[in-house]
Amino acid sequence: DAMVIQNPRYQVTQFGKPVTLSCSQTLNHNVMYWYQQKSSQAPKLLFHYYDKDFNNEADTPDNFQSRRPNTSFCFLDIRSPGLGDAAMYLCATSRARGAYEQYFGPGTRLTVT
Amino acid sequence: KNEVEQSPQNLTAQEGEFITINCSYSVGISALHWLQQHPGGGIVSLFMLSSGKKKHGRLIATINIQEKHSSLHITASHPRDSAVYICAVRLNNAGNMLTFGGGTRLMVKP
Repeated sequence: DAMVIQNPRYQVTQFGKPVTLSCSQTLNHNVMYWYQQKSSQAPKLLFHYYDKDFNNEADTPDNFQSRRPNTSFCFLDIRSPGLGDAAMYLCATSRARGAYEQYFGPGTRLTVT
Repeated sequence: KNEVEQSPQNLTAQEGEFITINCSYSVGISALHWLQQHPGGGIVSLFMLSSGKKKHGRLIATINIQEKHSSLHITASHPRDSAVYICAVRLNNAGNMLTFGGGTRLMVKP
């Protein structure tokens, strides 16, 4: 049974055209994370939500925004995608802050043309 | 120097071989994760450890807190084990952030 679901799995967008990636979870976890992973690199944390509390990483570009309308859903909005934003975007959840296991979704591979 | 170092970076094995992947870290941690990522795919969490040893099927993970070292072992390896294995640690006082190792790319040949 899928626990962390990401839609779509593959997304193609044009340079500068806003795009939204979706993540949902059936675990009722308090924390949801968005990571960016470029080819052959480790995932990079963009931001996370602890419940409704939004936590942005210091080096996350302003071009990246997030929304969490309820416990189950979290969205990643890229306002004006550039070619350098092409990557795999991974959503993850954990029960709470601290040393809890993170459960990852399958990822959305974003292509920018 | 990276806070999390994995070795080897690349590993090729024959089906059936016993495989060990190592992870060393240089600072205090509250937990260590082993993750698996198949080519072009998402990440699967294999283990989270804060002490001792865990086993799941053919996979075994150990951690030595004093030596700041963890190992992931795969017994009776199979071509479907071919993937990138990533060690990630939660540093003390780092909140929810995971610090990732560079990954070990494993290929198991039939």
